[in-house]
Amino acid sequence: SQKIEQNSEALNIQEGKTATLTCNYTNYSPAYLQWYRQDPGRGPVFLLLIRENEKEKRKERLKVTFDTTLKQSLFHITASQPADSATYLCALRLNNAGNMLTFGGGTRLMVKP
Amino acid sequence: KAGVTQTPRYLIKTRGQQVTLSCSPISGHRSVSWYQQTPGQGLQFLFEYFSETQRNKGNFPGRFSGRQFSNSRSEMNVSTLELGDSALYLCASSLSGAREKLFFGSGTQLSVL
Repeated sequence: SQKIEQNSEALNIQEGKTATLTCNYTNYSPAYLQWYRQDPGRGPVFLLLIRENEKEKRKERLKVTFDTTLKQSLFHITASQPADSATYLCALRLNNAGNMLTFGGGTRLMVKP
Repeated sequence: KAGVTQTPRYLIKTRGQQVTLSCSPISGHRSVSWYQQTPGQGLQFLFEYFSETQRNKGNFPGRFSGRQFSNSRSEMNVSTLELGDSALYLCASSLSGAREKLFFGSGTQLSVL
């Protein structure tokens, strides 16, 4: 069966360190993968998109990698800040699936000052 | 530019009733998707509309339906409510077709008693 897995346990790190979040998937061949941030009581906010033929994408302090052989994406936040504390969701889109995204369960990140 | 607007923000219904939720996408966006979010199942795709046509549908019973109007505004309806329908219902819009990042509203929190 198809699965998208993110670490369900919260990730606690110290301010200034790099946070690394993992998204693993099985039995999918995604056209691309997206990362979203969600704060309590709010809808997800788009952060980064990486396509199947791309290995790495960067945006300011954010970096995402995509390994279609390992079926894994890593999401990095460098120089983390308490304001980065939120739940981070990865989402896959398959070919010919319009805007239908399949989401992982999310990982809660807590950055302590 | 105004974001995605969902109304109402909170809703309390009883089992057996029906409910209609509304979504106004960002101006110029033609694709509207609906997602259900629960603590146990996470974010799950309900359906997507593009130019008033349903383009994709998730694995939900027929009690869940939706429509899109010519101004791209969308409504979703749930009939014969069940306790398990209690969830945060999120609407997301995007410019056109696939490979577009989604802009989510803050959602409608539905409680079924």
